[in-house]
Amino acid sequence: DADVTQTPRNRITKTGKRIMLECSQTKGHDRMYWYRQDPGLGLRLIYYSFDVKDINKGEISDGYSVSRQAQAKFSLSLESAIPNQTALYFCATSDPRLDTQYFGPGTRLTVL
Amino acid sequence: EDQVTQSPEALRLQEGESSSLNCSYTVSGLRGLFWYRQDPGKGPEFLFTLYSAGEEKEKERLKATLTKKESFLHITAPKPEDSATYLCAVQETSGTYKYIFGTGTRLKVLA
Repeated sequence: DADVTQTPRNRITKTGKRIMLECSQTKGHDRMYWYRQDPGLGLRLIYYSFDVKDINKGEISDGYSVSRQAQAKFSLSLESAIPNQTALYFCATSDPRLDTQYFGPGTRLTVL
Repeated sequence: EDQVTQSPEALRLQEGESSSLNCSYTVSGLRGLFWYRQDPGKGPEFLFTLYSAGEEKEKERLKATLTKKESFLHITAPKPEDSATYLCAVQETSGTYKYIFGTGTRLKVLA
């Protein structure tokens, strides 16, 4: 089984809808991250969390919110989706002793 | 401004034709430099971490090297299964979280 899972894998929605993307991990890592990937722009950090009580904004947090329900679960919400939020979204975890990030398979989100 | 630049954007090689990918970076202090491989429709997969200039890491046909300003990913005698996008990322010493990713090099190895 995959260490980092994301649901759904694909989602098509309409402008103005609320969307939640979910991430679960079995690696036992405290640190979790949400990124979006756009062609030509690379991976950009949306939010990150170092433990259940710690939530921090990344470089592009506007229009997004997150919830850390448990050590293993980190959800990303789009309160009112807009077309320029169409992108690939990745969840990642890391072990602070090694700094390496481990990524989930991604969610392809399309906002019409 | 901190940044990571990868070149070339795309590279086509014949099977067995060795080459190198470049990752140049500008950060106030380098905590670590990471190489990832990303296949279409999948998340990035960790390859290497380099921490200091002069360090080298190898894995099968891949070898990563690091200087004070750039890193190279050398691919020796590539095979079609090496086709993927290779991402470089740096982590700064000033923050415990901030990873800066490059936009990647799309590698295609032709049989």
